[in-house]
Amino acid sequence: ETGVTQSPTHLIKTRGQQVTLRCSSQSGHNTVSWYQQALGQGPQFIFQYYREEENGRGNFPPRFSGLQFPNYSSELNVNALELDDSALYLCASSPVPGQGLGANVLTFGAGSRLTVL
Amino acid sequence: GNSVTQMEGPVTLSEEAFLTINCTYTATGYPSLFWYVQYPGEGLQLLLKATKADDKGSNKGFEATYRKETTSFHLEKGSVQVSDSAVYFCALSSDSGNTPLVFGKGTRLSVIA
Repeated sequence: ETGVTQSPTHLIKTRGQQVTLRCSSQSGHNTVSWYQQALGQGPQFIFQYYREEENGRGNFPPRFSGLQFPNYSSELNVNALELDDSALYLCASSPVPGQGLGANVLTFGAGSRLTVL
Repeated sequence: GNSVTQMEGPVTLSEEAFLTINCTYTATGYPSLFWYVQYPGEGLQLLLKATKADDKGSNKGFEATYRKETTSFHLEKGSVQVSDSAVYFCALSSDSGNTPLVFGKGTRLSVIA
């Protein structure tokens, strides 16, 4: 079975620009969560998508948005980039909501490292 | 709100040394507790978990016991190897699985031969 794949692995943007990060979930998983990991910090929950709808959100502003597609893949979009958005963005997939969040079935990708200059 | 505090690193040990990484938490109710590991260039991997007080999670020689009286979940390994070099994250979920993971800041472990 394939794991969670994310793209791109690295990218550099400037303040004010917009970015889209992509995630393909593990085979058989229909729920996707996104986390932000700033340098030297632990991951922080951004939001989760299930059945193509947002199903839980952390303390992030509306300029962080997402999509989930019928094949369960997902995108994270960040508008009006700020310097503090520089981080590793992690995608995690799980079989069903609730069982995934906080349970041991979260499968993480290797992340997309975003640098904002 | 829920939070996790773990010892700051980096931690540098010689091969075969004993490892302890301290983790304490603040949460309402009865959280589930986890240790995740992040190897260089890879995603987070679940190392072990415990879902109720006095449970001991174990995997690959690592152990952690859920101590509700001290709100702790310290990670231990009796004899570390160079291949254990990674960043270790303590995390919690505030119930059986319906809330997001809350992570500590991570502890970098370097094991030298």
